[in-house]
Order: sequence, then structure tokens, then C-alpha cells
Amino acid sequence: DTAVSQTPKYLVTQMGNDKSIKCEQNLGHDTMYWYKQDSKKFLKIMFSYNNKELIINETVPNRFSPKSPDKAHLNLHINSLELGDSAVYFCASSPPQGYGYTFGSGTRLTVV
Amino acid sequence: AQSVTQLGSHVSVSEGALVLLRCNYSSSVPPYLFWYVQYPNQGLQLLLKYTSAATLVKGINGFEAEFKKSETSFHLTKPSAHMSDAAEYFCAVSDRGGSQGNLIFGKGTKLSVKP
Repeated sequence: DTAVSQTPKYLVTQMGNDKSIKCEQNLGHDTMYWYKQDSKKFLKIMFSYNNKELIINETVPNRFSPKSPDKAHLNLHINSLELGDSAVYFCASSPPQGYGYTFGSGTRLTVV
Repeated sequence: AQSVTQLGSHVSVSEGALVLLRCNYSSSVPPYLFWYVQYPNQGLQLLLKYTSAATLVKGINGFEAEFKKSETSFHLTKPSAHMSDAAEYFCAVSDRGGSQGNLIFGKGTKLSVKP
């Protein structure tokens, strides 16, 4: 009955590989997000989707491509992984007007 | 543009002492304000939120925060710290721009609790 679930929880991969992180929410929320938490714990929004439509795309390299097949899912695909991509990635969702965000448990990505 | 400043990247208190974590915000529109807690190797859990109802907001685990518009502050307090409160705490602000609102986080404050 997890509200926002991400898979995998841990991901270790080599530079240059392509990987995906999946996110699903069962809260019926309209908006989903991807946040990146760096090694200093700083959280920064990457993308925001509302009803499968991209709303926010912060200054993220175009190697990162979000995909939303329906409003309950927002996956993150990363091409040509670099060492600097190592971080914890959080998926989140919210109802309209940004009122109350629910976060997933995070995916720790390590690029070696 | 909105922003959040958390004063003190690390706060250390003794068990049973008052916890005070400071947060100041900047927003051109009336904000929603949030405090989240992150325990080691875990995700973010909502502690409490301010959405323009009562200015004193009570949250989980005995925490509360007071919205002070004149001071643009939303400090988090707990009367008596417990060892289990040791974690990273994040203050965040959201605009009320409908479905386009997103959450802007402060840099976090690590709370340590000494026995």
C-alpha cells in the first residue's frame, strides 16, 4: 500500500551506461516530480509533470529524459551516465496547487 | 522567485532540551511552508505544513512551527528532544501557482541529540 514507490532502491552502474528509475503513485495525484539530492544533502527539482504533461524542466542535461505513460507513473531515463550523476533521486507527487507532497524512499545511484 | 534559508547546517542539543531549527523564506506570493525530516538512508517524511490557516502549526512527533509573516520565518521547535529526533531537517516553500507549484528546499539542518 506504498503511496509513492520507486525502483530500484540502489543502482550501481558504469560510466557511459543507460539506466532507468521507475516511479509509481497510488494517491490519485495529478502532479509528479523528480528531485535530485546531492552528496551535501541539497535537494533540487529536476522535472515536474502534470497529467502526463511536462511543466517544469530545470537546467538538467538532456541526457535525463522523464517519461510519463499515465498520471500515476513518472519514470526517469538517464543516458550516457557520468560520475557526477551519482546522487539520490527522489520521486514525489502532489495534488493540485502543490498542497502536500509525498515522497518516495529514493534511489541511490552510484556511477563508477 | 522563492527561496528558503536554514540558519545552521548542524544543531546539537542534549536529550530533553529544546529544539529550535531556524527557517526564513522569501516569496513574492503568499507561501505554503513545509518541514520535512529525513532519517539516515531514508526518504523525506512530512513533519508539518502551513497553508494559511492557523499560524501555529502542530506536526508529528511533538514538533510545531510558527509562521511569522513580519519576520518571514517558519522556525521549527520541539520542547524536549529525544534521541530518535536525530536526523536531517528540511524547510521548504511552495508557491500557490496551481498545478505548476513546486517545492523549493533549504539546504537542510542536521540535528544531533546527545544523551
